[in-house]
Formats: sequence, structure tokens, C-alpha cells
Amino acid sequence: NAGVMQNPRHLVRRRGQEARLRCSPMKGHSHVYWYRQLPEEGLKFMVYLQKENIIDESGMPKERFSAEFPKEGPSILRIQQVVRGDSAAYFCASSPETANSYEQYFGPGTRLTVT
Amino acid sequence: AQSVSQHNHHVILSEAASLELGCNYSYGGTVNLFWYVQYPGQHLQLLLKYFSGDPLVKGIKGFEAEFIKSKFSFNLRKPSVQWSDTAEYFCAVIGSNDYKLSFGAGTTVTVRA
Repeated sequence: NAGVMQNPRHLVRRRGQEARLRCSPMKGHSHVYWYRQLPEEGLKFMVYLQKENIIDESGMPKERFSAEFPKEGPSILRIQQVVRGDSAAYFCASSPETANSYEQYFGPGTRLTVT
Repeated sequence: AQSVSQHNHHVILSEAASLELGCNYSYGGTVNLFWYVQYPGQHLQLLLKYFSGDPLVKGIKGFEAEFIKSKFSFNLRKPSVQWSDTAEYFCAVIGSNDYKLSFGAGTTVTVRA
């Protein structure tokens, strides 16, 4: 039973480019969460999605960041016009529909470096 | 707003030494508590969790944690560490009706052989 998959594991972008981070939840999971870990800090909640719905995006920066979880395919976290401050590790987690949302299973993360 | 504080940023110890990592939280309600571990190059793994019941929780790999409600603490312990316990450890909290995990800044543990 494959765990939460994230790709790419490492991503390097120049300032002004776009970054697309993908997350495939565990089989049978329909809830996806994105967290960001800045250097020397703990993970911070960004967004909570269910299939085709954004439930809570209160942790997302207001500009340049967007997330989706389409009916088919992985969840995508998109960062437009990246800046150096976007350099961080981005973690995705998933949970099954029938369980409490705090039973979240994490992927390996994508480390974004903006040069 | 809830917050989680981990007392140590980096801990270095020798094999067979005992380990205790401090975690305090601030939250106005019933909480569920977790310790996660991240080995170098790997994803976050759940070490143990507390939802209710016995405040002394046993986890994987010989770890345990004690929930002390009066002190808002959930400290992690292991009586005798191994080199393979070298990793980063995160304490996390979530409200009982919430879905946003709040994490501490993490403690890097280095075990010397």
C-alpha cells in the first residue's frame, strides 16, 4: 500500500518562475492538506482540500499561491512568480474520509529552492 | 491561537544515553497530541499519539511520552538511544474538532556512536 507520494522531491526555480508541486494521497484517501516548513521553523498549515473543493485556505499567502485537488489526478500546489522567501520544504498529508482529520499521513516533502 | 513550543533546538548525546525532549502547547480546548520523527531524507513518521485515556503513551521504537494536562506538556522520552535515532523530532497538536496540525519548530537529535 503506497504512502503519500510527492514530486518532485527537489525543485530549483529562478525568481519569477512558476513552481508546481504534486501530491498523490494514499489510496482511499480523499482529504489532502499542504504544510510549509520554513528554515528553523515547524510545519505551518497552508490549505485543506477535498476532491474538487477547497475547504480551508486560511494559511495560504494571499497572492501567487493556489492549490487544487481535481476529480482525477494529484493535488497541485502552484506558486507563481516565485521569490527567495518561498524557499522551503512543502509537505502534503492525506487522511481517509471515514476517519478523523487529525489522522494525517505525510509525504516525503518537496524542497523548493529559489535562486 | 494554538502554539507549540519545543525546548531544545539541537540535542547531542551518546549511544545508550537517555533522551527527553520537552514540548509545551497553548490551546483553549481539548487537544490531541503527537510526536513525529523525520529521519534524514525521509518523510515524517508518526512516533506516537495521545487522544485520551492513560496519559503515558507508548510508541514505536521504544519511545514514550507523558501528557501532563496541568502543565500543558507532552514530553518525549527514550531510556536508551541508538545511533539510528538520529533524526529531527516534531511535537504537534490538534484540537479535537480541528484539522490543522500545529507543529513545534523541531528538535534535531544527534546520537554519537
